[in-house]
Amino acid sequence: SQTIHQWPATLVQPVGSPLSLECTVEGTSNPNLYWYRQAAGRGLQLLFYSVGIGQISSEVPQNLSASRPQDRQFILSSKKLLLSDSGFYLCAWSVRWVNTEAFFGQGTRLTVV
Amino acid sequence: GNSVTQMEGPVTLSEEAFLTINCTYTATGYPSLFWYVQYPGEGLQLLLKATKADDKGSNKGFEATYRKETTSFHLEKGSVQVSDSAVYFCALLGGTSYGKLTFGQGTILTVHP
Repeated sequence: SQTIHQWPATLVQPVGSPLSLECTVEGTSNPNLYWYRQAAGRGLQLLFYSVGIGQISSEVPQNLSASRPQDRQFILSSKKLLLSDSGFYLCAWSVRWVNTEAFFGQGTRLTVV
Repeated sequence: GNSVTQMEGPVTLSEEAFLTINCTYTATGYPSLFWYVQYPGEGLQLLLKATKADDKGSNKGFEATYRKETTSFHLEKGSVQVSDSAVYFCALLGGTSYGKLTFGQGTILTVHP
């Protein structure tokens, strides 16, 4: 069966420090991959999505970047964190070429202090 | 581009009341539609889905029908329980924006005994 791993679960980082959040998927090949941020406890903002290695779409210009070094690995990064980067970050995957549901990781709670 | 507009909350109901959360979408092509639920401190879980017009998704007493003529996918439940208290998200995948999974802003539901 397919599983998605996202870590760490919680993270406290100082302003100006770098960030690296990792997400990996097991049990499937060539997935679509997504990063979302949930701020203010509710709304989901699509940050990046990828339909294949080397194909990353950025939805919102900001202090973050994403990479997909392997087919089932999706990394969210920042060179210098801002206070406004605090939030709940969620990774997800869906089956390529089929408009079916996405499956979510358990999320990372990031607090920038 | 694709967009999802969801009923503003919060919604507060008494146990056994009828629930409707409105969701309308904008998309070209033939997207799939979803309702996700998020319990406090957790990631997102798929509640139900519909992949083509006139499909009805159902799960745990919740239902939603894919209405292409009104571009809607309203969530309903005949009798809510305290355990249904959560945040509900309407979402759209695909259409002409292949691979892009777009969410509404979420609706907080609180059910009182």
